[in-house]
Amino acid sequence: EVQLVETGGGLIQPGGSLRLSCAASGFTVSSNYMSWVRQAPGKGLEWVSVIYSGGSTYYADSVKGRFTISRDNSKNTLYLQMNSLRAEDTAVYYCASLTYRKFDYWGQGTLVTVSS
Amino acid sequence: DIQMTQSPSSVSASVGDRVTITCRASQGISSWLAWYQQKPGKAPKLLIYAASSLQSGVPSRFSGSGSGTDFTLTISSLQPEDFATYYCQQANSFPLTFGQGTKVEIK
Repeated sequence: EVQLVETGGGLIQPGGSLRLSCAASGFTVSSNYMSWVRQAPGKGLEWVSVIYSGGSTYYADSVKGRFTISRDNSKNTLYLQMNSLRAEDTAVYYCASLTYRKFDYWGQGTLVTVSS
Repeated sequence: DIQMTQSPSSVSASVGDRVTITCRASQGISSWLAWYQQKPGKAPKLLIYAASSLQSGVPSRFSGSGSGTDFTLTISSLQPEDFATYYCQQANSFPLTFGQGTKVEIK
């Protein structure tokens, strides 16, 4: 059974940094396209970033230059390094696998709150 | 960026009703469209991909159709567990974008 478990969320001040993790089981992160999708409180879904199995990465304009997606193959874990955080980055962050252009497996999400 | 517009934003329906949600893309996306169901406090769940393919394990009362710019999600006979918010998502090009959501509420 595929499981994706996100950790690392919390309360952080504007301008601060946070690293989210997504540990996978029953699934090989490095063999799949992996994404982060976020959802601000009471709002819709927003794609944030993707890392291809080959290592290429892409970002939404709203986070480009501030967020970095990466993975540790030995730990079968996906990461999202978030720097220069802003109030508008407050959201639940989900990791999800992107298979043939559809998000087929999702984690339960981790809440990031950016506030002073 | 490709904008995805869903309608209606919300719909009130009764158990057993047929419910149709539409999604329009700001430019043609072929059949690169997926539909998701999200319940409060939970992650989205994939229902339909490639516009009309049913994800494994999803009940057959859910169906999708369309291509190009106009798409529909139909629930043929609404069940109590179907009350949720539904999102479309285009997969034609980055950035991947979602519709704003349609909330299906109990009438």
